[in-house]
Amino acid sequence: AQSVTQLDSQVPVFEEAPVELRCNYSSSVSVYLFWYVQYPNQGLQLLLKYLSGSTLVESINGFEAEFNKSQTSFHLRKPSVHISDTAEYFCAVRTQGGSEKLVFGKGTKLTVNP
Amino acid sequence: DSGVTQTPKHLITATGQRVTLRCSPRSGDLSVYWYQQSLDQGLQFLIQYYNGEERAKGNILERFSAQQFPDLHSELNLSSLELGDSALYFCASSKRGSGGTNEQFFGPGTRLTVL
Repeated sequence: AQSVTQLDSQVPVFEEAPVELRCNYSSSVSVYLFWYVQYPNQGLQLLLKYLSGSTLVESINGFEAEFNKSQTSFHLRKPSVHISDTAEYFCAVRTQGGSEKLVFGKGTKLTVNP
Repeated sequence: DSGVTQTPKHLITATGQRVTLRCSPRSGDLSVYWYQQSLDQGLQFLIQYYNGEERAKGNILERFSAQQFPDLHSELNLSSLELGDSALYFCASSKRGSGGTNEQFFGPGTRLTVL
């Protein structure tokens, strides 16, 4: 079985500061990795994903995440956050070649203050 | 807008009752997934349908059931409701039943409140 741990339930930062949201996973088989974002009163949107290839993946709005197989981590980073980045962020895994179900972490609430 | 629609947006009902949540997938998507988001359990996979057939099952209670119809929309039926069933229920859809690039697109959710 797979599990995902998001180490911080809440992360407050000031605007234009860098941020890192941590995600570690556990799995006995190879997985695909995802970050989803949930804005207030909205559904989940895919932010970025790692399927294969380069271990550093980027989103269109400046976020990036690095897959580290030895540390079983997929931390999300942004060098300079905006007020509009305030949302809840979910890390998820899906097994390669197995069930399509996504296994999610508990989420990290990012609050960007002026 | 992901293209996945869910109705109703909000549902308030009483314990012991039965409700039906509806999901219409994106045009062309054959798979539908149901997830439950609650404060204590977080986001949990319930069930997947692919082209009308059940494909995978997660932590879905026996009081809950789902189906996917020939037009590919799906319904999640929740019966004998308990207070603990109060949650946000998400539907997601994807083009295929499986595969690495088989991205799931999520709907806005149905918020169920059981009083």
